[in-house]
Amino acid sequence: GESVGLHLPTLSVQEGDNSIINCAYSNSASDYFIWYKQESGKGPQFIIDIRSNMDKRQGQRVTVLLNKTVKHLSLQIAATQPGDSAVYFCAEINAGKSTFGDGTTLTVKP
Amino acid sequence: SQTIHQWPATLVQPVGSPLSLECTVEGTSNPNLYWYRQAAGRGLQLLFYSVGIGQISSEVPQNLSASRPQDRQFILSSKKLLLSDSGFYLCAQDSNTGELFFGEGSRLTVL
Repeated sequence: GESVGLHLPTLSVQEGDNSIINCAYSNSASDYFIWYKQESGKGPQFIIDIRSNMDKRQGQRVTVLLNKTVKHLSLQIAATQPGDSAVYFCAEINAGKSTFGDGTTLTVKP
Repeated sequence: SQTIHQWPATLVQPVGSPLSLECTVEGTSNPNLYWYRQAAGRGLQLLFYSVGIGQISSEVPQNLSASRPQDRQFILSSKKLLLSDSGFYLCAQDSNTGELFFGEGSRLTVL
């Protein structure tokens, strides 16, 4: 659910390493999932999506994995770059309504 | 494509003063519009959403209100700001798939 009152979890990785960001969702009826990236001082932006009839989807350097059994979503970023430093949010969509998961702050060390 | 304009981008207001944040969207007619708040280092909290002119749904009780006087205009207001109203306010509209498009945000500091 929304962690509006809690400090976001953090992940720190070395440039060039792979990053894995995890998210638990709550509604087994959700049929669409999106990962957003929010850079400092900006609004979140779409990265990649996946529908509930899939368990994996790949984009450019990013892969989303969906495990409906345990209601878990992950975002994998290959060869992480300094420009990947941001807050990442997952969102589950049910009947067109988005519910955001706990964001994760990713810091990439050069 | 959707374009969302928010202003002002930054605002510093004293406690007890009024607030008006504006959001206008381009490229879509009759969009669903949202106001989110994000406290520093924290997640996204849905405040209001609107499915049409004059139609506002509030997600959480608070010191704020929203209005939609025109199809592509969404306004967030307060009569008297509290310190706890400080935050980053994001306007968003959705697509027919559920993806949200966010504006660049308005950062409010209440002193």
